[in-house]
Amino acid sequence: AQSVTQLDSQVPVFEEAPVELRCNYSSSVSVYLFWYVQYPNQGLQLLLKYLSGSTLVKGINGFEAEFNKSQTSFHLRKPSVHISDTAEYFCAVSQGGYQKVTFGIGTKLQVIP
Amino acid sequence: DGGITQSPKYLFRKEGQNVTLSCEQNLNHDAMYWYRQDPGQGLRLIYYSQIVNDFQKGDIAEGYSVSREKKESFPLTVTSAQKNPTAFYLCASRDGQGGYGYTFGSGTRLTVV
Repeated sequence: AQSVTQLDSQVPVFEEAPVELRCNYSSSVSVYLFWYVQYPNQGLQLLLKYLSGSTLVKGINGFEAEFNKSQTSFHLRKPSVHISDTAEYFCAVSQGGYQKVTFGIGTKLQVIP
Repeated sequence: DGGITQSPKYLFRKEGQNVTLSCEQNLNHDAMYWYRQDPGQGLRLIYYSQIVNDFQKGDIAEGYSVSREKKESFPLTVTSAQKNPTAFYLCASRDGQGGYGYTFGSGTRLTVV
């Protein structure tokens, strides 16, 4: 079985400040890891993914995430946030093949002007 | 451009009525998924299909039904047996095995009155 824990349900941050959204996962086998972003009343959009190789993954909109196998974490970071980054962010894990993807409960990022 | 189309965007139904949500994709993806999203609960898998004329129950299939007669289409019926149908419903598709993230539709918000 696999699971995803997003430790913060809401994260307020001032514009142009850095942000980190935390994600921890559990799985008995190797996994693929994903971050998605959801704007209000819209579907989810893939931000970035970790499949293998370099543990630092860069995505769209200036976001990046680091895979840490020993800590089973995949935290999302951005050095300077913009108002347009206000959205909900979901971490997800899959064991590959056509195994289902398990999502965290989401973290709402609120960027304060 | 390829993508997933969900319709309608908003849907209102009276309690006790069945309702069908449409999901169409032109990405030539093999696998399609239906998720339900409720505030604070993340995304929960209702049904998924990896191939035409075959589908499997997800974690919360009770009160829902699906069909997959064409590769492009995966409609979801919310039946009167679903005790709490008001939610945001997301359709997604995926190609390849595990290393690819989902492509999501823009969602259908169902309100039962």
